[in-house]
Amino acid sequence: DSGVTQTPKHLITATGQRVTLRCSPRSGDLSVYWYQQSLDQGLQFLIQYYNGEERAKGNILERFSAQQFPDLHSELNLSSLELGDSALYFCASSVWDREIDEQFFGPGTRLTVL
Amino acid sequence: AQSVTQLDSHVSVSEGTPVLLRCNYSSSYSPSLFWYVQHPNKGLQLLLKYTSAATLVKGINGFEAEFKKSETSFHLTKPSAHMSDAAEYFCVVRTDTGTASKLTFGTGTRLQVTL
Repeated sequence: DSGVTQTPKHLITATGQRVTLRCSPRSGDLSVYWYQQSLDQGLQFLIQYYNGEERAKGNILERFSAQQFPDLHSELNLSSLELGDSALYFCASSVWDREIDEQFFGPGTRLTVL
Repeated sequence: AQSVTQLDSHVSVSEGTPVLLRCNYSSSYSPSLFWYVQHPNKGLQLLLKYTSAATLVKGINGFEAEFKKSETSFHLTKPSAHMSDAAEYFCVVRTDTGTASKLTFGTGTRLQVTL
């Protein structure tokens, strides 16, 4: 158990809908990262937050957005869902954003878009 | 841009035999490299990391990797495979840009361990 929690574990929805994925980082971690794992794209970095501020963006679509709240939990919002958005979404957390440290991954949320 | 290339998508070994999972990296400066493992229906777990200290890095569960600058490689090895090692393995490079960082994953190598 990494200490990173993600809810829900599974999510099934329809095209055009909007969903919110939630992540609680390890106690004391200030950075949160979101990743998408799909069969065709592999594991891709989406976005990083540090203490409430966006720090880095990867291959995140404009239909997707994220935020980190004062209690440090983070939410990833996916809207106007398409079939291709079906994937496993991971959240990771780490203590600092500048140091060479370890990112601890949550168990993931499996999103299925029908 | 930094990247990693995993040279094998699938590797099959017999239990008790050595494991070699190959990874080459591309980086304009000394990279930070990692190996992560993902067991079926599980999250990602860090096996080991290289951050420009010792070139031979020891990780968990008997795995180790050697950073070879001349070959731009960071291959993962284990002397004797166990059934529980069957999983997907990812070679990863970290990019730091001032106050941000991101991990770039290779395409993964699925390790199969047979009796």
